[in-house]
Order: sequence, then structure tokens, then C-alpha cells
Amino acid sequence: KAGVTQTPRYLIKTRGQQVTLSCSPISGHRSVSWYQQTPGQGLQFLFEYFSETQRNKGNFPGRFSGRQFSNSRSEMNVSTLELGDSALYLCASSLLITDFDGYTFGSGTRLTVV
Amino acid sequence: DAKTTQPPSMDCAEGRAANLPCNHSTISGNEYVYWYRQIHSQGPQYIIHGLKNNETNEMASLIITEDRKSSTLILPHATLRDTAVYYCIVRVDNQGGKLIFGQGTELSVKP
Repeated sequence: KAGVTQTPRYLIKTRGQQVTLSCSPISGHRSVSWYQQTPGQGLQFLFEYFSETQRNKGNFPGRFSGRQFSNSRSEMNVSTLELGDSALYLCASSLLITDFDGYTFGSGTRLTVV
Repeated sequence: DAKTTQPPSMDCAEGRAANLPCNHSTISGNEYVYWYRQIHSQGPQYIIHGLKNNETNEMASLIITEDRKSSTLILPHATLRDTAVYYCIVRVDNQGGKLIFGQGTELSVKP
């Protein structure tokens, strides 16, 4: 079966711009969560959506936002980009019928802010 | 904040068992121990999880001490493809999609 698909794989943006990243979960998975990975901070949780509702939120500024559509696909948006937003952005999906379903991650979007 | 402590790096000879330790001395009774790994430039991959009993699957074995304050992930016959960063995570079941990653252990499998 198809895995978690993230698009685009690579992105270069200029400071001050905004960016939208997309995540298509595994078919049937209703939970989508987003993570930021940087060399300095490691993997950090951004937020999680379940059935189009944000259920959990990490400690990131309001410039980071997301949404989930009725087909479970999710987007995250970063406005007013800063150099420090350069990172690998990962999304993960899960059935979440039980926690034992685990989380399947995509390969990520590499964002570079110049 | 991460509730686990792992060595930053370890080496293992190809074909030998890799034993990756994790300390979680403040674990609560309803928290599970999860292991994920991340191969360079890929997303993390689920390996195994457990509550208090030892667990085994096709990828690895998880040994949890009786007091549950530490655990060991065992890759029985490490291959070069097992070179990755291994993350030990503790969390409550049904907590939603919030995984708290620590710095993990960078395992290098050498020929």
C-alpha cells in the first residue's frame, strides 16, 4: 500500500515569504501529525489533526499553522519565514484505533530559507 | 520534554547483536516504551513497543527491566542497513500523535 506522501520534497524560500507543505496520509488513517527536525533542536512536535480538528499542539509560534481536509490530507503553513525555519518537516499518520497502530512517517519536506 | 536518556553513539560489528540501552527512571505505570529509528534523510520508522513484558517482532527484541526504569533494544544480527539514529520514547497510550523525541543513539554498524 502507498505510504505517507509529502510534497514537495525540497523547497527554497526567501525570508519573509510564506510556505505551504502538503501531507497525504496512508489510506484510512485519520490522524496526521507534523514535526520539525533541525540539527540543533532535533525532532519537535508541531501539531496533530484528527478528523479535521487540531487535537494537540506543540510549542511553536502562531506563524506555524495547519489544517486537515475531509479526506484526511493535511497542510501546514508557515508565514513570515525566518532563517531559523530551515528544517526537515515530517508528517506522520496513524489509524489511532489503538495506540498500537503506531505512526508511519513520510520522507519529509526539506525547507531552506535564504 | 523527553523522559529518556540514551548514549549519543554506539558502534556494532556487522552480524553481531546490537544492544541499545535506554534509561526512563521516571516512567509512570501507564506509560509504554516505544522505539523508532531514523535512517539518514528518511522519516522515523516504528520498531517495537512494550509496557512491562519483553517483546519480540521480526525487527528486534525489547527487554524491559522489572522495575521498568530502563530497557534495551536488541537487534539480533545487525547489518549495515541498521545504521541509524535510534529513539526511545515513553508515552501514555492513546495520547494522540504527540511523540516526544530525545536526541537518540546514533548506531554505526561496521563491516
